[in-house]
Parts: sequence; structure tokens; C-alpha cells
Amino acid sequence: NAGVTQTPKFQVLKTGQSMTLQCAQDMNHNSMYWYRQDPGMGLRLIYYSASEGTTDKGEVPNGYNVSRLNKREFSLRLESAAPSQTSVYFCAGDSTGSGNTIYFGEGSWLTVV
Amino acid sequence: QQQVKQSPQSLIVQKGGISIINCAYENTAFDYFPWYQQFPGKGPALLIAIRPDVSEKKEGRFTISFNKSAKQFSLHIMDSQPGDSATYFCAASKEGSTLGRLYFGRGTQLTVWP
Repeated sequence: NAGVTQTPKFQVLKTGQSMTLQCAQDMNHNSMYWYRQDPGMGLRLIYYSASEGTTDKGEVPNGYNVSRLNKREFSLRLESAAPSQTSVYFCAGDSTGSGNTIYFGEGSWLTVV
Repeated sequence: QQQVKQSPQSLIVQKGGISIINCAYENTAFDYFPWYQQFPGKGPALLIAIRPDVSEKKEGRFTISFNKSAKQFSLHIMDSQPGDSATYFCAASKEGSTLGRLYFGRGTQLTVWP
């Protein structure tokens, strides 16, 4: 997982609070992704960015916003956290943009109470 | 609609046995099929991948078998070891697509007993 760094690693939020998950990569990835992982549901795409300055919705975008600040950084924001957003979040990057080889960060464990 | 269906959800194998995980896909435009391995507390990492121009790819103890007509592919782990205990995800994508993203199966939790 070297090259894709996520912060924070763990976070507990109260319902209605907001927070931003940060992701930075030093592998010169053009494309970056945010996934959430829930038991029995696999990895579901929240948002992705094919290149700097562009973002698109994935499978489960509701309740989230993203910012591709520059080529290195792609942040995920929860404006008003809900218990249903309790999950493990993974940021990932892909240098080819084709999904050929995606490198994942180590994950951010988020609990909303 | 789930683009990639994976089974079984969990698998228990004895050390030295063969682990087999199956996946099926719907979209015939998919042309890249990777498998990812995830250890507890870590992010998924690419294990092995195949393209539909071949029916099998082998890397060490890991083999992907691909059946284009059936739209199915599987991961075989030979001589399974306790260190192989992890969650495995199959995935599919269309290379060259401007969207360029992977569709993941729901994962298989493999436990290898010593």
C-alpha cells in the first residue's frame, strides 16, 4: 500500500457532525478513487476522479462530497454524518486510468454514533 | 445491478488443500479481470490478473482460470497455507474506458487451517 496515505486512521463521529477524510499519493496517479467497505458488501465506489480537476459519482455517492485539490490529493467529506456511514473507507490511485492496477491506502475506520 | 458476482462468501480449507473462488460477470465489454487480496486491517492489494485472450494464468501457487463463453473466472490456490488466510476480491473492468474503474465482487473470506 505504499504511496497512498489516508488520514485519519480511526474516527468516531456523532450523528450530524461533519468531517473530511484526507488522501494523498506520491505515485503520480492520474485517477483516484474513494471506496467504502462493509461486511458482505465488498468494495463499493463512492466517487472517483479521472484526472485533476474532475470528479464523478460512483455507486454510492449520497451523503458524500469530494475534492480533487491537485494531482496528489483527493479528499472525501461527510457533511452531516449518519450511522449508515459507519464503514471502512479506502482511497486508491491508478496511474493508467484504466483500472489496470489500483493501489489502495490502508483504510480509515469511521464510526458514527 | 451487481456487475460481478462472487462465491462463496466464506471458505475454510485445510493446509495443503486447494482453495477455489468463483466469479461471474455480466458485461461482455469487460476485458481485464484482477484478483485482490486483503489481510485484516490492510487495504486490498493486487494478487494476479488475466485478460480474455488467455484461458489460464499461473503465478506460483495462484492460478486464474477464465471461461469467456460462460462469462466466468475463478481463482485457484494450490497447496493452501495459513498465510493465505485473507479476504479475496475478484473484479472486472474495461481497459481504455474513459471512466476506467473496477467493479468488485463482494469478497470471499478464506481461512486455511493448519
